[in-house]
Amino acid sequence: AQSVTQLDSHVSVSEGTPVLLRCNYSSSYSPSLFWYVQHPNKGLQLLLKYTSAATLVKGINGFEAEFKKSETSFHLTKPSAHMSDAAEYFCVVRGNNAGNMLTFGGGTRLMVKP
Amino acid sequence: DSGVTQTPKHLITATGQRVTLRCSPRSGDLSVYWYQQSLDQGLQFLIQYYNGEERAKGNILERFSAQQFPDLHSELNLSSLELGDSALYFCASSGRLGSYEQYFGPGTRLTVT
Repeated sequence: AQSVTQLDSHVSVSEGTPVLLRCNYSSSYSPSLFWYVQHPNKGLQLLLKYTSAATLVKGINGFEAEFKKSETSFHLTKPSAHMSDAAEYFCVVRGNNAGNMLTFGGGTRLMVKP
Repeated sequence: DSGVTQTPKHLITATGQRVTLRCSPRSGDLSVYWYQQSLDQGLQFLIQYYNGEERAKGNILERFSAQQFPDLHSELNLSSLELGDSALYFCASSGRLGSYEQYFGPGTRLTVT
């Protein structure tokens, strides 16, 4: 079975400062990992994905994540936060069954102060 | 806009009732997934259909059922509703089996009173 743990339930940064959202995963095989973002009262939007190609993955809106197998981590970063980045972020691992089910972390709420 | 549509957007109903949530996947996508998002359980996978057939099952209650129709739209049926069923229900779709990306609809917010 696979699982993800998001180490911070809330992160607060000032606009223009770096963002770091931490995620550790557990998987008995080489995982596919994703970050999704959920803005208030909206659906989930795919930010980026890792599927065993390059370990540094670039996503939309300036976000990127690095897959580190030795640390079983997939942290999400952004060099400079924008007010519009305020949202809930989910680290997700894909199942290795006949289907394609996703297992979600508990989420990290990112707050951006002006 | 992901291309996945869900109706209705909001649903308010009483305990013991039955409701049906509808999802239309992105054009060309064969797989449909249902997820439940609640405050206490977070986001949980319920069930997946691929081209009309059930493919995988997660934490779906026996009171809940789903199906995917020949035109690939899907319906999630929730019966004997309880207060604890109040949640946001998401549908997602993806392409062929093994396609890693799932695209989510805007969700249906169910409130059971």
